Amino acid sequence: EPEVTQTPSHQVTQMGQEVILRCVPISNHLYFYWYRQILGQKVEFLVSFYNNEISEKSEIFDDQFSVERPDGSNFTLKIRSTKLEDSAMYFCASSVQGLRETQYFGPGTRLLVL
Amino acid sequence: QKEVEQNSGPLSVPEGAIASLNCTYSDRGSQSFFWYRQYSGKSPELIMSIYSNGDKEDGRFTAQLNKASQYVSLLIRDSQPSDSATYLCAVNTEYSSASKIIFGSGTRLSIRP
Repeated sequence: EPEVTQTPSHQVTQMGQEVILRCVPISNHLYFYWYRQILGQKVEFLVSFYNNEISEKSEIFDDQFSVERPDGSNFTLKIRSTKLEDSAMYFCASSVQGLRETQYFGPGTRLLVL
Repeated sequence: QKEVEQNSGPLSVPEGAIASLNCTYSDRGSQSFFWYRQYSGKSPELIMSIYSNGDKEDGRFTAQLNKASQYVSLLIRDSQPSDSATYLCAVNTEYSSASKIIFGSGTRLSIRP
C-alpha cells in the first residue's frame, strides 16, 4: 500500500542552524501538508501546498519557514534559523484532492533543537 | 479561533466493552470530520471519516455526526488491548483549493484486560 515517507526520522541541531525536513508524498496525490506536534500537545497545521504554491499557512508558519517541491517526488520543509521552541515532531501529509479528502500522514521527523 | 474540543481522558474501558469517544467543534461551516488514532511517538492513522449527519460503520468502529449540535463521536465495539491509544478528532476547514485539518487534543483510551 502506498505511503508517505519522511527523512530523517530524527534530527538534532543547534539553535540558529538551518534544517531541511524531507517528505515523499503518495505518488498520485496533489495536495501536500506539514503539521507539527510539540511533545504532549495537539497536532498543529503549518502549511498546505498545491500546484507549486502555498495554499494556506498558519500563524506558526512565519518567515523562518519555507516549503518547496524541488522535483517531482520530494516535498521539503526548511527552517532557516532554528529556535528551541521548534523542537517537535513534524508530520508531512498528502491527499488526492484538497476539499473533503482524507490526508495521509507520514511517520514524522522528530526535531530536537539544542 | 476555530476549535475542536475533546475530553483528554484517560478513558478506561474493560476488554470487550464499548468505548465511546466524543468531540465538539466550533466552526459551523465545517464539512468533513475524521477520527485518527495515534500511538505514542507515532503519526496519526486514519480510523474513520464522516461527512453527513448520522452514523457510519466500519467493522468495530462507528462514527456519528450531528452538525446541528456540532458534535462527532466514535464508538469502538468489542474493545481490544490494541485499541489503547490516543484518539484524535479532526475537522476539515476549507480554504481556496486546499484544506487544513484542525485537530483536537485527543482522548487517551486504555483498554484493561
